[in-house]
Amino acid sequence: DQQVKQNSPSLSVQEGRISILNCDYTNSMFDYFLWYKKYPAEGPTFLISISSIKDKNEDGRFTVFLNKSAKHLSLHIVPSQPGDSAVYFCAASAYGNEKLTFGTGTRLTIIP
Amino acid sequence: DVKVTQSSRYLVKRTGEKVFLECVQDMDHENMFWYRQDPGLGLRLIYFSYDVKMKEKGDIPEGYSVSREKKERFSLILESASTNQTSMYLCASSSSPSGGGDTQYFGPGTRLTVL
Repeated sequence: DQQVKQNSPSLSVQEGRISILNCDYTNSMFDYFLWYKKYPAEGPTFLISISSIKDKNEDGRFTVFLNKSAKHLSLHIVPSQPGDSAVYFCAASAYGNEKLTFGTGTRLTIIP
Repeated sequence: DVKVTQSSRYLVKRTGEKVFLECVQDMDHENMFWYRQDPGLGLRLIYFSYDVKMKEKGDIPEGYSVSREKKERFSLILESASTNQTSMYLCASSSSPSGGGDTQYFGPGTRLTVL
């Protein structure tokens, strides 16, 4: 039972344009959401997070949007840069629970 | 800066061998985790520990065991390695959530190949 879903395995975007990565979840107990970025042969690095009391969080070029009623979150990267080419994982946790549930990842390729 | 280190970046073992993967974190985090990452499957939790000598099974514990004798160190053990355990193994740590979610910080990973 995949509680966190990333339905697009891959995405290609022109350099300078907006990249939008999507994530859906089914567990209504999830209240904290994170995005991680992973380069090949490296561990995931934390990118940005959002708690369920907010619907938007921004950090430089990265913005995460949360739509609780739709159980959907998205990561926007503007403008996209070649160094953004990586696999992006969304993850979710429930209140007081140390465990994260990860999606299957989306491979983002930025085309110069 | 949080630092999570793993003992090996690449490891090649034979079927039936006992394999130890070591993970150390330097941020005094209570929680430590072992995941494996496989193409198309994302990150799957094998085991986690929320305190010294405490452990809980994750989603795919079969064929693995863990040890946490010191707060900073969490070991993953493959008692008898099999080819289907060829994977990227990732260790992570986090502090205990205090009323909210908490970020996990990952090590660089160990690419294990079982022949």
